[in-house]
Amino acid sequence: GAGVSQSPSNKVTEKGKDVELRCDPISGHTALYWYRQSLGQGLEFLIYFQGNSAPDKSGLPSDRFSAERTGGSVSTLTIQRTQQEDSAVYLCASSLVTGTGGGYTFGSGTRLTVV
Amino acid sequence: DQQVKQNSPSLSVQEGRISILNCDYTNSMFDYFLWYKKYPAEGPTFLISISSIKDKNEDGRFTVFLNKSAKHLSLHIVPSQPGDSAVYFCAASSLIQGAQKLVFGQGTRLTINP
Repeated sequence: GAGVSQSPSNKVTEKGKDVELRCDPISGHTALYWYRQSLGQGLEFLIYFQGNSAPDKSGLPSDRFSAERTGGSVSTLTIQRTQQEDSAVYLCASSLVTGTGGGYTFGSGTRLTVV
Repeated sequence: DQQVKQNSPSLSVQEGRISILNCDYTNSMFDYFLWYKKYPAEGPTFLISISSIKDKNEDGRFTVFLNKSAKHLSLHIVPSQPGDSAVYFCAASSLIQGAQKLVFGQGTRLTINP
């Protein structure tokens, strides 16, 4: 597609349930990133994938969070046993591996609300 | 440990005047600095960047200045327009395992008043 697509755009879930968030990056972009923005906060790095390399998981806040990227394209971010502090906008981005300062292209995000 | 800081959570500017958004960083190894703009219910969109070897980059109404000795960058918007009202994120880039990794500031909400 022309842009980064995320689904669902909104998700309300009960505390303790598992959720899956999906990201479809721009075709041909080899790098894929997940960030989240909690209320009043900046963009917090979670995880990134680069080609066939092992993902950088250094930003995942707990072992309840995991992500995978299948076939070098679509990625899913899974949050198990959701807690209220997981409520945030989860943003996915992709980029070409150029290092020229062109930045990422972000999707519109998934707004997750844990009640 | 906040590597990129935007100390002003909000800024209000009159239409037609200059908007100046500021950002400080701590890591000298960043190779690029970027500014993103975010409207409500949308993802951030890339606005302008500057290489760490430059001190100024201009694109239309937007200019980014980099002061490496002070570890400070700023975004100037002139003249400011109502459509510029948004949250602006400063970001710093490093190349890790062949991919850009961005560290973002907390954002500054810019409001342009007519």
